[in-house]
Formats: sequence, C-alpha cells, structure tokens
Amino acid sequence: SQTIHQWPATLVQPVGSPLSLECTVEGTSNPNLYWYRQAAGRGLQLLFYSVGIGQISSEVPQNLSASRPQDRQFILSSKKLLLSDSGFYLCAWSPGDQETQYFGPGTRLLVL
Amino acid sequence: GQSLEQPSEVTAVEGAIVQINCTYQTSGFYGLSWYQQHDGGAPTFLSYNALDGLEETGRFSSFLSRSDSYGYLLLQELQMKDSASCFCAVRAGTALIFGKGTTLSVSS
Repeated sequence: SQTIHQWPATLVQPVGSPLSLECTVEGTSNPNLYWYRQAAGRGLQLLFYSVGIGQISSEVPQNLSASRPQDRQFILSSKKLLLSDSGFYLCAWSPGDQETQYFGPGTRLLVL
Repeated sequence: GQSLEQPSEVTAVEGAIVQINCTYQTSGFYGLSWYQQHDGGAPTFLSYNALDGLEETGRFSSFLSRSDSYGYLLLQELQMKDSASCFCAVRAGTALIFGKGTTLSVSS
C-alpha cells in the first residue's frame, strides 16, 4: 500500500531563517506531487505541483520554492521566512491518471 | 480561472441529514471532488463525481449537475464524529483547486 510521510510535524522558526520541509511517498512510482498551505481556519492554497523529477509548477509567486530531486521526494524551501509564512503545510500525491489526492499528515510552521 | 463557492458553516444535530452545496466556475471541467478534514488533521478523500447524478457511499452521497455547475455533499444519520470541514474541489490541469471549506458542527 501507499504511504506519504512529512517531517517535521511541527516547527517554530524565527523570521529570516531558512526552511526545508520534506515529503516522501512509498509504494508507488511516478506520482504527481503537491504542496499546499492552509492558514488557520482557512482553505487549502496550492503552492507547487510536480508531475516528474525536476518538473515544478508554481501557483503562487512568493518566497518559497520547491524541488523534486527524486521520484518520490518533494521538498519545500525558503531562504528567508516571513511572518506570513506561518501555517499548516500539506503534501499530497496522486496517481497520474486519477482524480483522488492523498494527503500527508502535514507540518505546522510557526514563524516568530 | 477556477472558483468555488460553498457555505462557510453548517450546523445540525445527531441523526439529522445535512446538505453542503458547492457551485463552481472553471474553464475546463473534469469532475467535482469532496474532501473532509477533521480539526488538526489532513484532508481525506470522500467522493468524486464526473457525471451528472448521485453517487452513494454509505452515509455519504454526492451529487453533480454539470449544466448548473453545481454539486452537493449529503451526509445522513449524522454523528458527532462528522464534525469537520468539508471541501469541494475541481481539477485545473494537473492540480486540484479547493473551495474555502464548510465547517460542519454536529451537536447532540
């Protein structure tokens, strides 16, 4: 069966510090991968998605970036965090030809 | 572009039936999905409608009318554990665009 992992589960970072969140998927190959952000009590904002290694599409221009160095690894990064980067970051995967997305447990990021 | 509208909150009592509506605007339509998210957790897939009509899965059903750009999620025999946020979503290319979510509160 397929599983998706995210770490860390929670993170408290100072403004201006760098960020690296990792997501890995097991049990499938060539998945579509996604990064979402959810502010408290708000909906899901799509940040990035990837259909293959090295292929990244950005939905919202901001100080975040994403990379896919391996087929089942998706990384969200920032060089300098802003207060507004606080939120719940969710990674998701989907089979290439299906509608269903499967979400990881998420990372709660608090920027102080 | 794509946009989805759904009510921000719905309240109901245990054992009742509740309907959460979703209207959408999209340049290319493949289908309407529903996800549920409990407080503090990750969203989980509930249902998907590509064609008009009703899809039933246990206590949950989902309906789609493509001509009206409208769908709804129907939850029957509500239980306290159904208190959660429900999101409708449409596909935009390879990605999903989610509505802002409906907070469902079930009371005893």
